[in-house]
Amino acid sequence: DTAVSQTPKYLVTQMGNDKSIKCEQNLGHDTMYWYKQDSKKFLKIMFSYNNKELIINETVPNRFSPKSPDKAHLNLHINSLELGDSAVYFCASSQAVGRYGYTFGSGTRLTVV
Amino acid sequence: GENVEQHPSTLSVQEGDSAVIKCTYSDSASNYFPWYKQELGKRPQLIIDIRSNVGEKKDQRIAVTLNKTAKHFSLHITETQPEDSAVYFCAASIGNQFYFGTGTSLTVIP
Repeated sequence: DTAVSQTPKYLVTQMGNDKSIKCEQNLGHDTMYWYKQDSKKFLKIMFSYNNKELIINETVPNRFSPKSPDKAHLNLHINSLELGDSAVYFCASSQAVGRYGYTFGSGTRLTVV
Repeated sequence: GENVEQHPSTLSVQEGDSAVIKCTYSDSASNYFPWYKQELGKRPQLIIDIRSNVGEKKDQRIAVTLNKTAKHFSLHITETQPEDSAVYFCAASIGNQFYFGTGTSLTVIP
C-alpha cells in the first residue's frame, strides 16, 4: 500500500502545453503539500492545504493552480509550461501543520522541451 | 521567515567513520526539527526528528542534537556504511510550514 502516490512518475511535454499531476494519500493526514526540487536538489514549498483549504501559497507563477477536492487528494495543474518548469515535483502529507514530519510521494519528473 | 543554513554541502567519509551535518536556524520560535534522507532518484524520507523540548535523540547509528540557545542542530551518523550515501536535508518548523536546508551530499567510501 503506497502511502502517498503521485501520477505520473515521468512527464515529458512541449513548451506551451498544459499538464496535471495528481496526488493521493491514504494516511488520513489533514495537510498536503506540493514541493518543487530543482537540479541543485533544493526543496521549495509551493502550496499547502489543510483540510482542503489553502494555507500556504508561496511566490509561484499563477500558471500553477492547485486543487484539493477532498483532504486525501491534492492535484497540481500547470498552464503554458515553460522550460524553467522542468524539475521534480513532490507531493507530501503530514498529520498536522508544522508539527510532524512529512511523508513524501515518489515524485514526478517533469521535463519541458 | 525562517532561514535554515546547512553545512557542509558535500561530505565524503571512509566506511566505518562518523559523519556530522550541521544546521543553523534564525527564528527562536522554531520548535520541530526533522531530518530527511534522499537516495538518488528517490523520495526524501524522514529518518529522525527532534522537538525543542529535547536536547538529543538517538536511533541506532543516527543521533540528532539540538542547541536552542545557539540555534543549531546536528545529525550524527556513526559507523557509516555505503548505504548511508545520499543527500540529507535538515528542516525547521515554524507556524504552518517547514523551512528546508540546502542539503548535504554524503558519500561513504567503501
